[in-house]
Amino acid sequence: GAVVSQHPSRVICKSGTSVKIECRSLDFQATTMFWYRQFPKQSLMLMATSNEGSKATYEQGVEKDKFLINHASLTLSTLTVTSAHPEDSSFYICSARVSGGGEKLFFGSGTQLSVL
Amino acid sequence: ELKVEQNPLFLSMQEGKNYTIYCNYSTTSDRLYWYRQDPGKSLESLFVLLSNGAVKQEGRLMASLDTKARLSTLHITAAVHDLSATYFCAVIKGKLIFGQGTELSVKP
Repeated sequence: GAVVSQHPSRVICKSGTSVKIECRSLDFQATTMFWYRQFPKQSLMLMATSNEGSKATYEQGVEKDKFLINHASLTLSTLTVTSAHPEDSSFYICSARVSGGGEKLFFGSGTQLSVL
Repeated sequence: ELKVEQNPLFLSMQEGKNYTIYCNYSTTSDRLYWYRQDPGKSLESLFVLLSNGAVKQEGRLMASLDTKARLSTLHITAAVHDLSATYFCAVIKGKLIFGQGTELSVKP
């Protein structure tokens, strides 16, 4: 099956620093990638939809200047949490949709971000 | 706005018992997904349901879709401890929106 690689799996950083999370589709091209955030014992909340070569579409309440998303190629999307604060500590998961539509979405393994 | 609601949110069952998790959604959709999540892990795809009346089965899990009622069910047959996890349904309408999740605990 298709593989989505997400790195890092865990990151601990100091408050005020920036953290970059990478999401790669290893064996398929993904025109659309989704970024989710999940707090403990809660559901996945969609943060933004990223389309290759264009600006990401952010969900209401998600600060685009804080969560920078770049989808520069058909196999790579990145999420940068800028000036991270403890309240940004969460589990971040990316998802990729195969180019041409397709019924399946493939999820990365997730990144646990802890901001001290 | 698309809303997806699951119930129950918590489910404690004994091994060998049957139970059903329900997923309601608020607007028409092309497809419905069921996922499993173990603690600290990402999502594992269980089923994709594409049309009204669709039924899919894998082991002790069976999922069905009624698009007219905007309802999907995930039925668990003769539960075993290994099924303990959180189960999410999700509906796609341009973007994938998740239900709240059902935390399932199967006890001996």
